Amino acid sequence: GAVVSQHPSRVICKSGTSVKIECRSLDFQATTMFWYRQFPKQSLMLMATSNEGSKATYEQGVEKDKFLINHASLTLSTLTVTSAHPEDSSFYICSARRIYGYTFGSGTRLTVV
Amino acid sequence: GQQLNQSPQSMFIQEGEDVSMNCTSSSIFNTWLWYKQEPGEGPVLLIALYKAGELTSNGRLTAQFGITRKDSFLNISASIPSDVGIYFCAGQGDDKIIFGKGTRLHILP
Repeated sequence: GAVVSQHPSRVICKSGTSVKIECRSLDFQATTMFWYRQFPKQSLMLMATSNEGSKATYEQGVEKDKFLINHASLTLSTLTVTSAHPEDSSFYICSARRIYGYTFGSGTRLTVV
Repeated sequence: GQQLNQSPQSMFIQEGEDVSMNCTSSSIFNTWLWYKQEPGEGPVLLIALYKAGELTSNGRLTAQFGITRKDSFLNISASIPSDVGIYFCAGQGDDKIIFGKGTRLHILP
């Protein structure tokens, strides 16, 4: 149990376009989900906290107008990278909070060309 | 902000050796977590520690939550090839998890 599905696993997009990444909790409801970004050989850096039915809370230095987060239901949060640039290329990982602990998705490798 | 200092950054060991890594924090956490991440995957929880002083084992893995709640260590005994990966400590406080920089474990045949 407690599976978090993240889609797509890999995406390549052209510079200037937008990309949407989905994070779904498959067998539990998650009122809170988290979005992380991980550059090669770096740690996971928290970008924002996604709250169902309300606005996301962004960490310092993360542009909320560039990284749009929508948590429209108890099982789905989406991250949209708008007007993507090559420097946005990274590994994006979501996490959903359960009653006991957190479960992570398998990540999305975004490459902007 | 909250920061976690994890060491060592990387380790090269012989198969069968024991491994030890640790994490310290500038602030107190309610929960300490240890994760393992393999290439192209999200992190997978290994051990969760909820009480100061708690010592918990998961197979060949043992982790302890420091008394001050500002540090934790992870030990791996009798390492095997599948232990290769990146190990992250993480502190949970205020409803979010902060990760350490990771320890990259390499095992020599």
